[in-house]
Amino acid sequence: DAGVTQSPTHLIKTRGQHVTLRCSPISGHKSVSWYQQVLGQGPQFIFQYYEKEERGRGNFPDRFSARQFPNYSSELNVNALLLGDSALYLCASSLAGGNSGANVLTFGAGSRLTVL
Amino acid sequence: QKEVEQDPGPLSVPEGAIVSLNCTYSNSAFQYFMWYRQYSRKGPELLMYTYSSGNKEDGRFTAQVDKSSKYISLFIRDSQPSDSATYLCAMISVEDDKIIFGKGTRLHILP
Repeated sequence: DAGVTQSPTHLIKTRGQHVTLRCSPISGHKSVSWYQQVLGQGPQFIFQYYEKEERGRGNFPDRFSARQFPNYSSELNVNALLLGDSALYLCASSLAGGNSGANVLTFGAGSRLTVL
Repeated sequence: QKEVEQDPGPLSVPEGAIVSLNCTYSNSAFQYFMWYRQYSRKGPELLMYTYSSGNKEDGRFTAQVDKSSKYISLFIRDSQPSDSATYLCAMISVEDDKIIFGKGTRLHILP
């Protein structure tokens, strides 16, 4: 059974460019969350989507946006890239929205973004 | 003061030793506590999930929560080289349902 799949696995962009990262959740999971993990730090919450609706948003600028499609896959978009956006971007899927109780997150391997 | 404090290590211990990993927190609204393991170039993998104070055991792993001291621990018995990874503590606030991760502790088990 496939886990959470993310693409691309690695990418290099220059400042000011735009990037789109993609995520396919585990079959049957209806919620997708995005996290940013800077080297040496823990993951930081960016967005959560459930049934194509935004359920939560972390403390990130408006340059970050996301959406969830009818098949529950998701895209994370980042505009006007800055050097500080270099990080591992993790997608996690779960059965339902929210994080508490038995709604456990399963993470993908991430997309490593380098901004030059 | 950060909401979740975790010593980044690295922590090096010989194979077979008992490993103790810890986190402290400041927010009383944290009610769910988790430990994730992250291998290099991989995403975090959930190891333990606890709600209340006390101990929870799963194989070689024991998670301990002391809400009165705002302190959580993960113990690994009979440590193996395959346990070498970064261990992240994480907590969920019942106020906003968001997960806050610690920085992670890098653990090396020496053969």
